[in-house]
Amino acid sequence: EVLLVESGGGLVKTGGSLRLSCAASGFTLSSYSMNWVRQAPGKGLEWVSKISPSGTFLYYADSVKGRFTISRDNAKNSLYLQMSSLRAEDTGMYYCARVLTKMATIGNFDYWGQGTLVTVSS
Amino acid sequence: IVLTQSPGTLSLSPGERATLSCRASQNVGSTYLGWYQQKPGQAPRLLIYGASSRASGIPDRFSGSGSGTDFSLTISRLEPEDFAVYYCQQYDNSLWTFGQGTKVEIK
Repeated sequence: EVLLVESGGGLVKTGGSLRLSCAASGFTLSSYSMNWVRQAPGKGLEWVSKISPSGTFLYYADSVKGRFTISRDNAKNSLYLQMSSLRAEDTGMYYCARVLTKMATIGNFDYWGQGTLVTVSS
Repeated sequence: IVLTQSPGTLSLSPGERATLSCRASQNVGSTYLGWYQQKPGQAPRLLIYGASSRASGIPDRFSGSGSGTDFSLTISRLEPEDFAVYYCQQYDNSLWTFGQGTKVEIK
């Protein structure tokens, strides 16, 4: 069974940093591109970042570019999102999500974790 | 690109047909057009990918269609568990975009 479990969320002050983790099981992480998607309270979905299977190619939404860094450790079956210079508008649920097709850089997201909540407040 | 979903809210009864629209601000093809369902307190679930292919385990009452800039998700007969928020998703220029969502509520 494919399982994605996020952790690392919490309350952080404006300007602070946080590192999110996503533990993957039930599939070979190194064969799939992965993404982070967030959702502000009561709002819609916003794509944040994606990483290719080997970690070579990284992409970011304009809203987080220069502040967030996506990475992965395939040997540890883990995906990460390092967030810095956090703002109030970064508050929300953060989901990791797997791309549908093996070894593809691009694809819709077929498995999602349950999310980890990040709250940024002064 | 900008994805505009309509209507914002759809009020229907179980057994009725639901048609949701997703319009893109420019033509980006249909290869990566996806539809997701999200229920309160849950993660989104992939329903449709490539504009018209059902994801694994998705009932055949869900269907997707469209091309170019206009796409739609149809639920042929609403079941009680189908009342939720639905998002479309599209890919362009190395970035993903979601629509703002359509809420399907019980009338």
